[in-house]
Parts: sequence; C-alpha cells; structure tokens
Amino acid sequence: NAGVTQTPKFRILKIGQSMTLQCTQDMNHNYMYWYRQDPGMGLKLIYYSVGAGITDKGEVPNGYNVSRSTTEDFPLRLELAAPSQTSVYFCASSLYGYTFGSGTRLTVV
Amino acid sequence: AQTVTQSQPEMSVQEAETVTLSCTYDTSESDYYLFWYKQPPSRQMILVIRQEAYKQQNATENRFSVNFQKAAKSFSLKISDSQLGDAAMYFCAYWEYGNKLVFGAGTILRVKS
Repeated sequence: NAGVTQTPKFRILKIGQSMTLQCTQDMNHNYMYWYRQDPGMGLKLIYYSVGAGITDKGEVPNGYNVSRSTTEDFPLRLELAAPSQTSVYFCASSLYGYTFGSGTRLTVV
Repeated sequence: AQTVTQSQPEMSVQEAETVTLSCTYDTSESDYYLFWYKQPPSRQMILVIRQEAYKQQNATENRFSVNFQKAAKSFSLKISDSQLGDAAMYFCAYWEYGNKLVFGAGTILRVKS
C-alpha cells in the first residue's frame, strides 16, 4: 500500500516553461488536494477534487490547472512558470483524515 | 469559515523535558477532527496525533498527548521526554469530513541538548 505518491521529488524550471506534477493514490479516496508551502509558511490550498471529473479552486489557484480523470490520479499543471511559483508542493488525499505525499520541491529560475 | 490559530511562532525545550504547543480553532460545527502534523527539515508531513471531536478522551500516542477542550475550542499538544528528533515545525489542523484541511501557521520547535 503506497499511499500517496508524488513525482518528481525535485525540479528546476526556467521562467516560462511548463510542467506537470504527478500525484497518484491507491487508497480509493474520492477527495484529493494540492497544496503549496512557501519557506517558513503554512500550507495553502491550490486546487482540490471531490471525485473523478470534479475539481474546484482553493486559495491560490492562479497559474495552475488540474484534472481528475480517474479516482487515482490528480495531476497539477503549471503553465508559464514564474519565480513566485518556487515552492514545495504537496498532494494529499482524504477519507477520514489526510494522507500526504512526500512533496515536490520546485524552483523556478 | 473555520480558522486555526497557533500563537507560538517558535518554542524551545531542553532534551528530556516537556513542552506544550498551543492551538485554538473556530468552528460552528460539532463533528470534526483535529490533527497535529510534524514537518521535519525533510519537509515530509507526518501525522503525529488525531482527535475526533465526539470523543471526550484525549488522544495519546506514546510521548505525544493532547489536551482537547471542545467548549474552549482549544487543542494543545504535549510532548514529553523531548528528543532531538522532535525538532521540527508543528502544524495544528482542523478538518470536517468531506471538507478541506485548514492549517495553522505552524510552530517551530527547537530541542536543546
């Protein structure tokens, strides 16, 4: 039982590049979330999904997109990366309580 | 909207001693969950302890225990016999089933040897 798996663990992007952060869970949880955590700060919700085909914006959605075609996968897409998107990104899923992935450290230069 | 407040940006404790981290929250709901997460320098989010609001008994996990005061909307974490490995950022979090996890701003815990 892997829980929540995020890839990649680290990535450096140039300004204007795009990339997809992958997240998959094997617990059959309907609810999945993407958070970002800036240095010394708490977690802020980017997007969340309550089930396949359903997504909604969180606190800080600008510059990101998500899709949820299956229960297992919830990828986060960054279009036209900006230095302000340098952060650590966490994916999570929930049933009774949250399970977090190990995070993706993204640097935009 | 639910809010979670951690009023201590930073705390220090001597190794082997006890420390308490504070957390208050605001909600109009009666059924919810509260969590303490530990985030070491690796940035991994590690669940420390969980409390269901309908349970009156305070949760304990080895050296970690909580003081849950539902009427006061208070949820403090006590770490006994502190160890160097306890040094981390600690987040208090609130969650209702089917809703989003709401985090406090975090408390940095430093453990002195």
